[in-house]
Amino acid sequence: DIQMTQSPSTLSASVGDRVTITCRASQSISSWLAWYQQKPGKAPKLLIYKASSLESGVPSRFSGSGSGTEFTLTISSLQPDDFATYYCQQYNSYSLTFGGGTKVEIK
Amino acid sequence: QLQLQESGPGLVKPSETLSLTCTVSGGSISSSSYYWGWIRQPPGKGLEWIGSIYYSGSTYYNPSLKSRVTISVDTSKNQFSLKLSSVTAADTAVYYCARSRSSHHAFDIWGQGTMVTVSS
Repeated sequence: DIQMTQSPSTLSASVGDRVTITCRASQSISSWLAWYQQKPGKAPKLLIYKASSLESGVPSRFSGSGSGTEFTLTISSLQPDDFATYYCQQYNSYSLTFGGGTKVEIK
Repeated sequence: QLQLQESGPGLVKPSETLSLTCTVSGGSISSSSYYWGWIRQPPGKGLEWIGSIYYSGSTYYNPSLKSRVTISVDTSKNQFSLKLSSVTAADTAVYYCARSRSSHHAFDIWGQGTMVTVSS
């Protein structure tokens, strides 16, 4: 099984900050990586697919990069609505795994 | 606008089988462009993929749950279902159904989730 390791697990930041979250795969997954945002009591929301493709309707301050085993999600200027938990998810050979999550808190 | 809705018992006894159904509205489950999946989230914890199914009935499962999981599809009712056998308290979670695109396997539409508690 492919393991996904997210870091940090918690991040404290202020409105306007540039935020970067990292996701590492235990083996190469090419660009088969997605990023989600989840708020308490709600279903996750897809932000990024195929490592760097922005889902329709998602603000352009969100961006994704990486390939192989190392990936990043960047929020260019953190907004009040962005305080949430973020998950990465990989797909490889008919198996999917989520990362452990990164909670973005208000500093 | 496509919507997914989970339904099923909110309480299941230990050792019994958890059964949930996801009803798809506003679109067809028989599209060749999508897979349909189940994901769960224990209280206060992260997301765990359970398995996915194509409209043709082909399935793929999380290896850690594979021995206990069955996912099926009923295209006539535009529904797909989850059965998880021999449940324990560790299976207590919010269960989500979701759609993933066959081109990249990210889940783009989710149901609201349903809480299932395993307790006697």
